[in-house]
Amino acid sequence: EPEVTQTPSHQVTQMGQEVILRCVPISNHLYFYWYRQILGQKVEFLVSFYNNEISEKSEIFDDQFSVERPDGSNFTLKIRSTKLEDSAMYFCASSLIDRAFFYDYGYTFGSGTRLTVV
Amino acid sequence: KQEVTQIPAALSVPEGENLVLNCSFTDSAIYNLQWFRQDPGKGLTSLLLIQSSQREQTSGRLNASLDKSSGRSTLYIAASQPGDSATYLCAVLFSNQGGKLIFGQGTELSVKP
Repeated sequence: EPEVTQTPSHQVTQMGQEVILRCVPISNHLYFYWYRQILGQKVEFLVSFYNNEISEKSEIFDDQFSVERPDGSNFTLKIRSTKLEDSAMYFCASSLIDRAFFYDYGYTFGSGTRLTVV
Repeated sequence: KQEVTQIPAALSVPEGENLVLNCSFTDSAIYNLQWFRQDPGKGLTSLLLIQSSQREQTSGRLNASLDKSSGRSTLYIAASQPGDSATYLCAVLFSNQGGKLIFGQGTELSVKP
C-alpha cells in the first residue's frame, strides 16, 4: 500500500532556530497538506498545497511558516524561528481529488514528526 | 463555525464486546467523513472513508455509518480485541472548506484481556 513518508521522526531544536520538516507524498496524489497536533489537543489544519502554490492556510500558518515542493517528490514545511509553542506532532498528508466529478479519495497521513522546541 | 465532536472521550471494555463510537458534526453539507486510528505517539491510519452519498462502509470487523441529516456518524467495532486499543478520530471534509479536514478530539479505547 502506498505511504506518505516523513523525516525525521523526532527533532529537538533550540528556540529561535529554523527547522525543516520533510515529506514524500504518494506519487500520484496532487494535493498536499500539513497538520499539527499539540499534545492532548485536536489535530488541526495548517496549510494545503496544490499546483505548486498554497491553496488554503489557517490562522496558525503565519509568516514564520512556509511550504515548498522543491522537486517532483518532496514537500517541506519550514519554521523560520521556532517558539516553545511550536512543539507538536506535525503530520503531512496527501490526497487524490477528482474535481471533475467532485470525488475525494480520502487523505493518507504520514507517521508524523515530533518537534520539541527547548 | 463548523465543528466535529466525539463521544465518549474514553471507553474501556472487556475483550469480545461489540462497541459503538460516536461522531457528530454541525453542518450536513459535507463531501465525506473519514475514521482514523491513532496509536500513542504515532501517525494517523485511515480506517474507513464514507462519501456523502453513502450510508455506510465496512472493513472487516469495522462498520461506519453516516446520517448527514442528523449530523452523525458511528463506528461499530465487532468482537473487540486488545489490539484494537487506540484513539479513534473522526474527520469531516465540509463542502465549503476546500480540502481542510476538521477533526474531532477522538475517543480513547482500551480493550482489556
